[in-house]
Amino acid sequence: SQQGEEDPQALSIQEGENATMNCSYKTSINNLQWYRQNSGRGLVHLILIRSNEREKHSGRLRVTLDTSKKSSSLLITASRAADTASYFCATQKDSNYQLIWGAGTKLIIKP
Amino acid sequence: EAGVVQSPRYKIIEKKQPVAFWCNPISGHNTLYWYRQNLGQGPELLIRYENEEAVDDSQLPKDRFSAERLKGVDSTLKIQPAELGDSAVYLCASSSLPGLAARAADTQYFGPGTRLTVL
Repeated sequence: SQQGEEDPQALSIQEGENATMNCSYKTSINNLQWYRQNSGRGLVHLILIRSNEREKHSGRLRVTLDTSKKSSSLLITASRAADTASYFCATQKDSNYQLIWGAGTKLIIKP
Repeated sequence: EAGVVQSPRYKIIEKKQPVAFWCNPISGHNTLYWYRQNLGQGPELLIRYENEEAVDDSQLPKDRFSAERLKGVDSTLKIQPAELGDSAVYLCASSSLPGLAARAADTQYFGPGTRLTVL
């Protein structure tokens, strides 16, 4: 079963613009993680935010978490063609190691 | 450091045929996962190993799927016989936090996957 739902399902922007993707989930979590998947390649871990954190940065990535709304957002600033990929959020519960994944947002950066 | 290695990268078989996938996790990673990813969806866990023990195989269709991790390192996932609905990408991942610690935060490292097409 999938817990996370990403929004939008697909996003196409010009290179240099910022891209924002959202993730909503259903149950309480210990942490939420964002992964990127390029065409034909495996998933790559981008960033992890814990339930007691509200915002986290890593390079051009900014992640926010609102546990009251059970939602998270991933912001990619100054997008590049190489950012073209599918982005997935995955949540991990307190009492369960298992990562529950959303269906992903397909991001296309136009040159 | 080498990442998670999977083979083959692609496999095309006819239905009712057997198929096997192989995974070599990152050196030192005790925990190994097999996922199935259907087109346009996120991964779904099939089985999780801590060392050589399968600690969660609740979502593995045991009538046709089997897995092993004999020496706690490499793992194989087998389907016999394959059905049309088994067409998907099979992903292997590993992490270095076994047991209770894994419940704190688990960053998983994924291989490139095996794309299976069942005709």
